[in-house]
Amino acid sequence: EAQVTQNPRYLITVTGKKLTVTCSQNMNHEYMSWYRQDPGLGLRQIYYSMNVEVTDKGDVPEGYKVSRKEKRNFPLILESPSPNQTSLYFCASSFQDGKNQPQHFGDGTRLSIL
Amino acid sequence: LAKTTQPISMDSYEGQEVNITCSHNNIATNDYITWYQQFPSQGPRFIIQGYKTKVTNEVASLFIPADRKSSTLSLPRVSLSDTAVYYCLVGDTPGGYQKVTFGTGTKLQVIP
Repeated sequence: EAQVTQNPRYLITVTGKKLTVTCSQNMNHEYMSWYRQDPGLGLRQIYYSMNVEVTDKGDVPEGYKVSRKEKRNFPLILESPSPNQTSLYFCASSFQDGKNQPQHFGDGTRLSIL
Repeated sequence: LAKTTQPISMDSYEGQEVNITCSHNNIATNDYITWYQQFPSQGPRFIIQGYKTKVTNEVASLFIPADRKSSTLSLPRVSLSDTAVYYCLVGDTPGGYQKVTFGTGTKLQVIP
């Protein structure tokens, strides 16, 4: 089954403790992206990647890092999480183009940073 | 900066046709318009995509005028299960080649 898998689904942690949210897709997609969703603000893009070793900033990249060492994986790294990064996070992928081709989304990761 | 504007919310009775309009005044020449549906605590799901005129699939129609500065998602005969948030998406070409910008979405409430 074609899918985007995020882990963990839920995480409660404390300020400053490094964490990684994994994202994996099994569709051989080139484009992958991370979004955060906050009440009243919709979906905001954090980072995106057009292929292995090619990443770029979205609208809200501060406080986040990403890497794309393999085509299928696109982890989101919070080196020193802060409470303002408490949010619902989504990973997505599409064949080649995040703008003009449908994106497939994961089920989300709810992060709470105390 | 390509930005989309949609109504914050809409209500509709079951069985009616619902039209949700999105404004995207600065859409780039080569960019498509894509609509997604999102249920609470789930990831958005692709509904329909178009470039110009009219596109129809099994769940919706998308109307795009010649100037492409807006688009209208049409949901025929909505049911309670269509209660969701609907997002219009266009590219954000000046901000980055593959950067995308979602609007804040339209929350559709279908009433029995």
